[in-house]
Order: sequence, then structure tokens, then C-alpha cells
Amino acid sequence: GQNIDQPTEMTATEGAIVQINCTYQTSGFNGLFWYQQHAGEAPTFLSYNVLDGLEEKGRFSSFLSRSKGYSYLLLKELQMKDSASYLCAAFDSNYQLIWGAGTKLIIKP
Amino acid sequence: ETGVTQTPRHLVMGMTNKKSLKCEQHLGHNAMYWYKQSAKKPLELMFVYSLEERVENNSVPSRFSPECPNSSHLFLHLHTLQPEDSALYLCASSQAPPGSYNEQFFGPGTRLTVL
Repeated sequence: GQNIDQPTEMTATEGAIVQINCTYQTSGFNGLFWYQQHAGEAPTFLSYNVLDGLEEKGRFSSFLSRSKGYSYLLLKELQMKDSASYLCAAFDSNYQLIWGAGTKLIIKP
Repeated sequence: ETGVTQTPRHLVMGMTNKKSLKCEQHLGHNAMYWYKQSAKKPLELMFVYSLEERVENNSVPSRFSPECPNSSHLFLHLHTLQPEDSALYLCASSQAPPGSYNEQFFGPGTRLTVL
């Protein structure tokens, strides 16, 4: 079967760095998304990786290793507004999105 | 309005009621999606429409009935729901159809509670 695994919940301190991991098992692979979802709001696009390596976008970076079926989202200089759920989703060979259950990130002062 | 909007934002209904969820996208996209989001579970794709034609129905019970009258509007008609149907229902749209790269843009969802 197809599956995405990510931690259920993480806690970090304001100003610090946090890494949210995601492992995937899909029938074929056509890239991986990270979305941010604040409570009661729409998921919003953060990043898309299809090639190995690190992509940086401001305070957020996303990494992909296709050989390991692994990705992470790195958040630097954490702010209270970064408290949200982070959803990992991968395209399979048919471009069907396989979703993880999301990681709830709690930021403490 | 911009992006993807959904109404109502909150809905409480009894098991014998009939209600409808509405989604509207203002992005000029060609594909629209209904998802169910339950706590601590992955998003469940329910229905996909591409150019107003249903292209996917993931074994969803018949008490959920979608309707796509045009490329900008999507409805989910609900009748005789069960308490386990309580969840956040998300609508999304994409420029490209399923079967190719399709970045999806989401609405804020309807929080549904079935009593």
C-alpha cells in the first residue's frame, strides 16, 4: 500500500530551529509537497520538491532524498505564528496525491 | 472574493437532515476536489471533477452526492449522515487536471457536526 509517515506533534521554542520529517512509500513518485494549515484555515502551499536536495525559501527549507523516500521541512527563527499543522503529500506515478496525517507544531515562548 | 471560498464555515445537522456544502473558486481553474479531513488522519479524497466531469469517486457512501454545475462551483449534497461523518470538509481546485502535476489550492473548509 501507499503510505506517508510524519510525527503527530512537535514542540519547539520561539527563535529556535525545528525539522519535521516525512517518509513516503508510493507506487512511483512524481514529487512531494509541504502545506501549512493553521487551525480552522485552508492548507496553503509551502514547497514542492521533485529533485534531490535542499530548496530554501526564506525561513523555510525543504529537503528531498528520493533514494531514501525521505523529506524534511526545516523552519528557522521560529515565530509564534508558525504554530500550525504541516502536511506532507507525495504524488504517485499517476499524479495522485498521497497525504500524511500532518504534524502539529506547537511553538512556546 | 479571491481564491477558494466555502460556505457555510460551520454546520450542525441531525441524521435525518438534508444540507448542501458550497465551494467556489475564483482562480480560473479547471479541476475541483472534495476532501474529508478527520483529526489525526490523512486527507481523504472524496470526489474529483475535471472540466465539470466527475473523474474520480473514491468509494464514497451514496449519502454524499457531489454536483459541479460549472468549472467555478462545486457542491456536496448531504443526506441521512452518520455521526462518524463529522469532520472538516475541504474543497480544492487546480489549474491542471488530475493525471499531471496539479498544485491544489484549498478553501478554509466546512466544519460539519452530525448529531
